[in-house]
Amino acid sequence: ETGVTQSPTHLIKTRGQQVTLRCSSQSGHNTVSWYQQALGQGPQFIFQYYREEENGRGNFPPRFSGLQFPNYSSELNVNALELDDSALYLCASSLDPLSNSPLHFGNGTRLTVT
Amino acid sequence: AQSVTQLDSQVPVFEEAPVELRCNYSSSVSVYLFWYVQYPNQGLQLLLKYLSGSTLVKGINGFEAEFNKSQTSFHLRKPSVHISDTAEYFCAVSDLGGSEKLVFGKGTKLTVNP
Repeated sequence: ETGVTQSPTHLIKTRGQQVTLRCSSQSGHNTVSWYQQALGQGPQFIFQYYREEENGRGNFPPRFSGLQFPNYSSELNVNALELDDSALYLCASSLDPLSNSPLHFGNGTRLTVT
Repeated sequence: AQSVTQLDSQVPVFEEAPVELRCNYSSSVSVYLFWYVQYPNQGLQLLLKYLSGSTLVKGINGFEAEFNKSQTSFHLRKPSVHISDTAEYFCAVSDLGGSEKLVFGKGTKLTVNP
């Protein structure tokens, strides 16, 4: 069973640039959620995708966008990067949202915006 | 809206001592409750969860938690800790929609000293 993998592991970008983070779901999982974890804080829910459609969104501006592909892998895109976007971005996959199945987290992508 | 308060940001203990990490939540609806552990430079791993039934929940690595609805608490306990338990612990809540959109606390850093 392959777990959740995220790439890249680390990334440095300049304010105003755009970034794409990638996530491969655990085998058999069709739901993916993205979280932002700032230094010293708990993760904050960005959005969730289920069968390629957005299935809920947290309190993040539209410059945070996502995609889920037919193989259930996912991307998180952030435009017009700001210094406060520096954080660990975590992807988590799970089964059907109504199944109460646990989230399986990847190890995250550490984004630094300078 | 839901919120989670982890009452201690840091908890230092000696090896083989008991530990309790405190968590209180606020919600206008019934909820599911979770504890996750995060080791350095890793994602989150589920320790245990409360969905329904017995209020005492047993998890991995010898941890357990008790759901107290009247006190809106879900404290995590372990009778005897090991050096390897040193990590960040996060309490989280989600609503009963099965949406798995978690609201996390800010975390408690558990340090086990020899």
